[in-house]
Amino acid sequence: NAGVMQNPRHLVRRRGQEARLRCSPMKGHSHVYWYRQLPEEGLKFMVYLQKENIIDESGMPKERFSAEFPKEGPSILRIQQVVRGDSAAYFCASTRSGQGTGNTIYFGEGSWLTVV
Amino acid sequence: AQSVTQPDIHITVSEGASLELRCNYSYGATPYLFWYVQSPGQGLQLLLKYFSGDTLVQGIKGFEAEFKRSQSSFNLRKPSVHWSDAAEYFCAVAGNTGNQFYFGTGTSLTVIP
Repeated sequence: NAGVMQNPRHLVRRRGQEARLRCSPMKGHSHVYWYRQLPEEGLKFMVYLQKENIIDESGMPKERFSAEFPKEGPSILRIQQVVRGDSAAYFCASTRSGQGTGNTIYFGEGSWLTVV
Repeated sequence: AQSVTQPDIHITVSEGASLELRCNYSYGATPYLFWYVQSPGQGLQLLLKYFSGDTLVQGIKGFEAEFKRSQSSFNLRKPSVHWSDAAEYFCAVAGNTGNQFYFGTGTSLTVIP
């Protein structure tokens, strides 16, 4: 049973370019979460999605960041016009159903974005 | 509001010594509690979790944690540390009304020979 799959694992972008990070949840999981981990810091919640719906985006920066989880295909975290401060590890996680049911959340290996 | 505090930023222990990593949480009801481990350049691996029932939970790699409601704590323990345990450890709390995990800032563990 494949775990949460993220790609690319490492991504280098120049300032002003766009970064697209992809996440396929575990088989049977329909809830996806994105977290950001800055150097020497903990994990910060960004967004929670179900298929075709954004449930909670309270942790997303107001500009340049967007996320989607289409009916078919992986979830995508998109960062437009990247700046050096966007350099971080971005982790995707999934659960079988909503977190409120006490399910365990499983993490992908992360995507490391470096902005040069 | 939910929150998690890991008071120790960095801990160094000798191989074979016992280990306790502290975690305190803030949550109005009974929380769901988790410990994750992260090796450099890797994702987070679940060590153990507490949902209900026995307050002492066993996890993988010989780790255990004890939920103490009176102290709002969920400390992680291991009786004898191995060099391969060197990593970053995160405590997390989730509530039954929200859709978020709240993570502590992590404790970095160094194991010396």
